Amino acid sequence: NAGVTQTPKFQVLKTGQSMTLQCAQDMNHEYMSWYRQDPGMGLRLIHYSVGAGITDQGEVPNGYNVSRSTTEDFPLRLLSAAPSQTSVYFCASRAGTGGAYNSPLHFGNGTRLTVT
Amino acid sequence: SQQGEEDPQALSIQEGENATMNCSYKTSINNLQWYRQNSGRGLVHLILIRSNEREKHSGRLRVTLDTSKKSSSLLITASRAADTASYFCATAYDSWGKLQFGAGTQVVVTP
Repeated sequence: NAGVTQTPKFQVLKTGQSMTLQCAQDMNHEYMSWYRQDPGMGLRLIHYSVGAGITDQGEVPNGYNVSRSTTEDFPLRLLSAAPSQTSVYFCASRAGTGGAYNSPLHFGNGTRLTVT
Repeated sequence: SQQGEEDPQALSIQEGENATMNCSYKTSINNLQWYRQNSGRGLVHLILIRSNEREKHSGRLRVTLDTSKKSSSLLITASRAADTASYFCATAYDSWGKLQFGAGTQVVVTP
């Protein structure tokens, strides 16, 4: 049972480059989300999805795109990387949506991104 | 803006001692959750307490919730070196159950 799998684990980009962070879960979870973690800031929600074909913005969505074509996958795209996007990115999923929100998030092990 | 704020930011204790950390939040919530993060890893869920609950236990963990003060506490009893980690509170605050995290408490337990 793999849970939530994120790839790559590490990535270095130059300013202006684009890339996609991959996230896959094998728990048939409807809810998936992306967070970034910066020192002293906790985790901030970038985008989330409550099911295939449905996505919405979180707290810090600028500079990022998402799509949800399948239940399993929720990739995060950086359109034009900036040094301010240097961070650790976590994907997380949860069983249920809406009224079933009393269930915990399952996290991947993160992608550490550096933009130079 | 962060919904949850943990206090203290850092805590250093010896094995066998209890560790207590607090979380305050700003708006009404549906539930409050505590997570642990070991260095270089993802967050792991510890315990969830619903807004109509006041106290919850799980093994050596005890969580309290005071909705009138908008605060929660996490107590780890009889700490072990393996409890060394960062601990985060997170509040579920809307109909989709989106979680908002605090900045965390770094706990170091020395043998």
